[in-house]
Amino acid sequence: SQQGEEDPQALSIQEGENATMNCSYKTSINNLQWYRQNSGRGLVHLILIRSNEREKHSGRLRVTLDTSKKSSSLLITASRAADTASYFCATDPQLSGGYQKVTFGTGTKLQVIP
Amino acid sequence: NAGVTQTPKFRVLKTGQSMTLLCAQDMNHEYMYWYRQDPGMGLRLIHYSVGEGTTAKGEVPDGYNVSRLKKQNFLLGLESAAPSQTSVYFCASSYSTFSSGGNNEQFFGPGTRLTVL
Repeated sequence: SQQGEEDPQALSIQEGENATMNCSYKTSINNLQWYRQNSGRGLVHLILIRSNEREKHSGRLRVTLDTSKKSSSLLITASRAADTASYFCATDPQLSGGYQKVTFGTGTKLQVIP
Repeated sequence: NAGVTQTPKFRVLKTGQSMTLLCAQDMNHEYMYWYRQDPGMGLRLIHYSVGEGTTAKGEVPDGYNVSRLKKQNFLLGLESAAPSQTSVYFCASSYSTFSSGGNNEQFFGPGTRLTVL
């Protein structure tokens, strides 16, 4: 099963509005990453937040992490039509021994209407 | 730098045919991955490699084989294609893993859209 689950599955907003999407996960993690996927393209890394961090910013992106609730949120401020894409969270589990696989969620599909 | 490249971009196979998908990266990354993406399923890891000459099974390895003879290349093979393998396949690479003290950001290729009839 997926470690990360995004919510909502789809989101439609007007250009200039803020977009918030959430990710919940099941086991303890080393870090959580957010990726963007434009239609027909590969995923692109947006931001990584480590388990000992609570908030991180990158341009118009703000990511929060609440390890007690096992959840993260991605906020895109002042959205643009070019932000239309699917957004995925990926979790790096905190397990012992060997290589631990990063697991991707099912994604939130964001549509920004001009 | 080209980053991660995949060939071919599109392919249509008949059931039972075989093919190889090629992934190449020019970032000197140790780790490489093959995923498949299906509607509503997110990305599922097929196989991965933690270095040249190594391969390991991921979440959905059945029906696929891989090889990593050179550090920059990771090949995904389908020996006898089935309609259930119709999907979009993504290759990715990363410099390190968190457990090795690094940032395990993954770099993705553009994908291969495979249809098996």
